[in-house]
Amino acid sequence: NAGVTQTPKFQVLKTGQSMTLQCAQDMNHEYMSWYRQDPGMGLRLIHYSVGAGITDQGEVPNGYNVSRSTTEDFPLRLLSAAPSQTSVYFCASSWGGSYNEQFFGPGTRLTVL
Amino acid sequence: AQKVTQAQTEISVVEKEDVTLDCVYETRDTTYYLFWYKQPPSGELVFLIRRNSFDEQNEISGRYSWNFQKSTSSFNFTITASQVVDSAVYFCALSEGASNTGKLIFGQGTTLQVKP
Repeated sequence: NAGVTQTPKFQVLKTGQSMTLQCAQDMNHEYMSWYRQDPGMGLRLIHYSVGAGITDQGEVPNGYNVSRSTTEDFPLRLLSAAPSQTSVYFCASSWGGSYNEQFFGPGTRLTVL
Repeated sequence: AQKVTQAQTEISVVEKEDVTLDCVYETRDTTYYLFWYKQPPSGELVFLIRRNSFDEQNEISGRYSWNFQKSTSSFNFTITASQVVDSAVYFCALSEGASNTGKLIFGQGTTLQVKP
């Protein structure tokens, strides 16, 4: 089991560029989510999905898009990168519901110049 | 609204000292779940424990123990006889049961440095 994988590990973008952060899991988890981690702010939820074809916004969704066409994959799209999106991004998955712990990917460190 | 507060930004101790990390939460749900995650210097997030709102029993796992008190809305984490390998950022998180979406609300994190 690879668990939750994320690519790339590091990325530098210029303001206005777009890109997609990839996330995949091989545990057949229904629930997947994206968080961003900023110093002194913990992790904040961007978007989440409770199953293929179903997505919803989290706490900080502006500037990001997601889709969930398969159970395994949950990509995060930055439409027009801004310096405020410089952060470490974590993808997570779980069996679903509020009871189950989430398994996190290794993270993607994104810098927007 | 739901909120998790970890008032201790950074803690520094010497190896073998005991240390307690505080976590205070706010929620209007009667069913909720509390978690602790560890983030070592390598950056990954590691699940440590889950506690549901109906179970106030304290838990001990080796040198780690957790004290859940609904009366004070706290879920504190104690490391006994700390070791250098315990150096990490520790996050407390809350998931509300009513929505059952599994969304996690994280505290700001506490950076623990254990010096040899």
